[in-house]
Amino acid sequence: DQQVKQNSPSLSVQEGRISILNCDYTNSMFDYFLWYKKYPAEGPTFLISISSIKDKNEDGRFTVFLNKSAKHLSLHIVPSQPGDSAVYFCAAENQGGKLIFGQGTELSVKP
Amino acid sequence: DSGVTQTPKHLITATGQRVTLRCSPRSGDLSVYWYQQSLDQGLQFLIQYYNGEERAKGNILERFSAQQFPDLHSELNLSSLELGDSALYFCASSGVGNQPQHFGDGTRLSIL
Repeated sequence: DQQVKQNSPSLSVQEGRISILNCDYTNSMFDYFLWYKKYPAEGPTFLISISSIKDKNEDGRFTVFLNKSAKHLSLHIVPSQPGDSAVYFCAAENQGGKLIFGQGTELSVKP
Repeated sequence: DSGVTQTPKHLITATGQRVTLRCSPRSGDLSVYWYQQSLDQGLQFLIQYYNGEERAKGNILERFSAQQFPDLHSELNLSSLELGDSALYFCASSGVGNQPQHFGDGTRLSIL
């Protein structure tokens, strides 16, 4: 039973354009959502998070949107840069602190 | 650099053996988490410790155990190793409250 799903295994975007990564979840008890970025041979790096009481959080080029009624969150990267090419994981946390990860989306930003 | 240190980076061993993976959390973080990433699976939560006490358990096999020491470093012990235990094992740490978990670079375990 996959509680957090990233349905797109890969995404290719032109440099300078917007990248939109999507994530769906099934458990309405999740109260904290995070995006991580992962390069090969490295651990996941925290990117941005959002609490379930908010619907938007912005940090520089990165914005996360949360739609609780649809149980959907998305990460927008504007403008996309070649250095953003990585695997992006969506994660959801319940009150116990345990993170449930999606399968990841590999983003490729073409110059 | 996340501040979380995992050793060793790579470990190659045989079936039936026992290994210990080590994790030093970020300075000041009391919580330590262990995750497993297999080839065909995403990151799977194994276990969490908070200030030396077990806080939460995930899909951790009985052959696996962990502990967190008074200096807050943690060890994950894997015994009676099977081929299917080959994976990347990540440790993460976090502070109190709704703080993000920060990950180490993992230990790649290969069972031959």
